[in-house]
Amino acid sequence: DAGVIQSPRHEVTEMGQEVTLRCKPISGHDYLFWYRQTMMRGLELLIYFNNNVPIDDSGMPEDRFSAKMPNASFSTLKIQPSEPRDSAVYFCASRRGAGNTIYFGEGSWLTVV
Amino acid sequence: GEDVEQSLFLSVREGDSSVINCTYTDSSSTYLYWYKQEPGAGLQLLTYIFSNMDMKQDQRLTVLLNKKDKHLSLRIADTQTGDSAIYFCAESISQATDSWGKLQFGAGTQVVVTP
Repeated sequence: DAGVIQSPRHEVTEMGQEVTLRCKPISGHDYLFWYRQTMMRGLELLIYFNNNVPIDDSGMPEDRFSAKMPNASFSTLKIQPSEPRDSAVYFCASRRGAGNTIYFGEGSWLTVV
Repeated sequence: GEDVEQSLFLSVREGDSSVINCTYTDSSSTYLYWYKQEPGAGLQLLTYIFSNMDMKQDQRLTVLLNKKDKHLSLRIADTQTGDSAIYFCAESISQATDSWGKLQFGAGTQVVVTP
């Protein structure tokens, strides 16, 4: 089975540009999570969805960040405008409903210069 | 607060056992997890334990859970150089509308295995 698929794997962009990160969860998983990893703050949950509906977005840093899940097989995390402090690894993860395991993608490595 | 704490660094000699410790805060956590992250890679689920268990063994991995002290440990037997990585402890934090909840991670323990 394919795991959680994220794109792009690496992105370097200039400050002020819009960044869109994409995620395809594991087929049949109805929960989708976006995490951010930095040296300073470790792994932080940004937002998560259940059946395409956001359940908890309290970790979204500010209005520059937005996430959508238009259907069960696709989600985006958008940063507009991007800033150097947004440089991090962004992980998408998914889980099947009442199951107990969250599976992570390989991450999107973002550098904002 | 929702803090998961781990020691930051562990050095172990190849062939020895390594023990990584973690403390968590939410007594209602249903599951506790150990993830492994190798350089430049994502997080790989190693093992997990349900909160009504005290111990779980899976090949070279042994997880011990002390619910009274909210202490979790991961023991790796016969540690190999391929075990060098960052190990994250995580607890599930239930939500009002989602009893399975989200994962709260520790800062990670860097394990270095020396020959």
